[in-house]
Amino acid sequence: AQTVTQSQPEMSVQEAETVTLSCTYDTSESDYYLFWYKQPPSRQMILVIRQEAYKQQNATENRFSVNFQKAAKSFSLKISDSQLGDAAMYFCAYRSAKETSGSRLTFGEGTQLTVNP
Amino acid sequence: KAGVTQTPRYLIKTRGQQVTLSCSPISGHRSVSWYQQTPGQGLQFLFEYFSETQRNKGNFPGRFSGRQFSNSRSEMNVSTLELGDSALYLCASSFWGQGGRETQYFGPGTRLLVL
Repeated sequence: AQTVTQSQPEMSVQEAETVTLSCTYDTSESDYYLFWYKQPPSRQMILVIRQEAYKQQNATENRFSVNFQKAAKSFSLKISDSQLGDAAMYFCAYRSAKETSGSRLTFGEGTQLTVNP
Repeated sequence: KAGVTQTPRYLIKTRGQQVTLSCSPISGHRSVSWYQQTPGQGLQFLFEYFSETQRNKGNFPGRFSGRQFSNSRSEMNVSTLELGDSALYLCASSFWGQGGRETQYFGPGTRLLVL
């Protein structure tokens, strides 16, 4: 079974600064997807960024980028130019590419990000 | 396109009762997954439905069940509620057209409180 670990329960960053959230995972599979989701106080889970394991290039979405290290099974999220609206709980998630696994996501414990003005 | 909707948004029940939660996926999406979120256990996968069939199931007791209708709308049912069932229940949908390479999108959740 796959596991996802987020070792930072809480992080804080100053507005306009950069912060990196860590995520490691354990799997014996070679093809899979990794995601970062954000959950603000409204509890709505919002996709931040997605990475496909077969792609060596790190995904980027505006101010959000990842550092995907497949051999190390590491998938960190970098938020540049942090904004007050980035404050939320961030979850790292894994999804197998096997059709039999369907859409099942395995989540990490979450990292609560505080953005200080 | 409208997002994933879940009803009701809030629910209070007492132990021993049963509850039914509803999820309407994004139009055209055929896969619906359910997750339970609690402070102690985090986010846990309950089950997934695709084309009216349960495709995957998490490690939850048989009191938790679900179904999917021909229009892809899904319901989950919890019978004989226990205090520990108090949680935020999240539904997520995806299209599943390219071998599952699409992303899932989540609804706002139903917050269930069991007294």
